[in-house]
Amino acid sequence: DTGVSQNPRHKITKRGQNVTFRCDPISEHNRLYWYRQTLGQGPEFLTYFQNEAQLEKSRLLSDRFSAERPKGSFSTLEIQRTEQGDSAMYLCASSRASDSHNEQFFGPGTRLTVL
Amino acid sequence: AQSVTQLDSHVSVSEGTPVLLRCNYSSSYSPSLFWYVQHPNKGLQLLLKYTSAATLVKGINGFEAEFKKSETSFHLTKPSAHMSDAAEYFCVVSDRTNAGKSTFGDGTTLTVKP
Repeated sequence: DTGVSQNPRHKITKRGQNVTFRCDPISEHNRLYWYRQTLGQGPEFLTYFQNEAQLEKSRLLSDRFSAERPKGSFSTLEIQRTEQGDSAMYLCASSRASDSHNEQFFGPGTRLTVL
Repeated sequence: AQSVTQLDSHVSVSEGTPVLLRCNYSSSYSPSLFWYVQHPNKGLQLLLKYTSAATLVKGINGFEAEFKKSETSFHLTKPSAHMSDAAEYFCVVSDRTNAGKSTFGDGTTLTVKP
């Protein structure tokens, strides 16, 4: 068990391009979360999955954002037609559904810079 | 609805002196509460968690936090600061009836002076 991993760690793109990030959770964890963190702020919830089902989405998740977890293991977060305001750190976390306290384990994040 | 307020955006202490990082929360239900630490260019690391088993919670690296329901507070303390404690600290509330998300505070930057 190597923890939650995210790829890439850094992404620089031009405005208008599409980007996709990947998250691999801890193997026995069936919940997976995406957060966005901007400079000077705490992480903000974007969405979460239990197994392959996407159970909740934040209002922050505009229609340019889509997340999937097709087989209930890894997840991808895609941003279409990126804007400069999308520049942020995107964090992934995972947890066990059996843990009623919902302790989440975080990956190192993907830092997105939109030029 | 749930929310977290970290009362200080920046705290500066001298090495060897006590640390106090303040957190107030709001939750409709019995909450779980966490403190995470984030060092520059590193991921979020769990320091400690409150899960109702005990109001005084001990964590890693000598940190403690006390859950006070009457004050809706969960302040983080450490008796003696070390240079390596310099980092960003986040207080987090999780509503056990809605495992969908946790709510983070805006963070407190801890500076430790030699």
